[in-house]
Amino acid sequence: GENVEQHPSTLSVQEGDSAVIKCTYSDSASNYFPWYKQELGKRPQLIIDIRSNVGEKKDQRIAVTLNKTAKHFSLHITETQPEDSAVYFCAAVNQFYFGTGTSLTVIP
Amino acid sequence: DAEITQSPRHKITETGRQVTLACHQTWNHNNMFWYRQDLGHGLRLIHYSYGVHDTNKGEVSDGYSVSRSNTEDLPLTLESAASSQTSVYFCASSGGLGYEQFFGPGTRLTVL
Repeated sequence: GENVEQHPSTLSVQEGDSAVIKCTYSDSASNYFPWYKQELGKRPQLIIDIRSNVGEKKDQRIAVTLNKTAKHFSLHITETQPEDSAVYFCAAVNQFYFGTGTSLTVIP
Repeated sequence: DAEITQSPRHKITETGRQVTLACHQTWNHNNMFWYRQDLGHGLRLIHYSYGVHDTNKGEVSDGYSVSRSNTEDLPLTLESAASSQTSVYFCASSGGLGYEQFFGPGTRLTVL
């Protein structure tokens, strides 16, 4: 099956700084790469996704980049705010396997 | 509005008992999934279904079973609950593999 590795497991940044979370995957058939945000005690919710025919996608302060050759993709959050504090999960979809999550803390 | 619900939200049971967790979605999605979430392990896929009467094993399926008799429901059964199955369980549905998964609110299960 798919193996999705996610780094770092924890990340602390100052408010206004950027945060980057990286994921690698093993299944070359994976063609859809979503990112989910999970606030404490809540359910995961999709924040951005990218398909294999696209190298980069942006949505306001959030962007995702994909390198299919190297089998890695990254989440970029710019101008971080305290409400960005949460656990973020990546996934690589041929089937649906998630990374182990990154706990992001934005320090005011 | 379409939604996905889980019941119960909290459950305490004893080792060896059979437990069934319910998942119901009104999105009319063909794809449904069950995950467990444990600290340090993220979301691990237990079972999934691509349509009525279709079920498939995920990466941590031992001790769990599912059945899909209609589009809306995918109940998860723990045949003989073990303490290692104490976890938070999330159900999700999607319109296809390349589409967003919508998660239920989760069920916190404690096996004593």
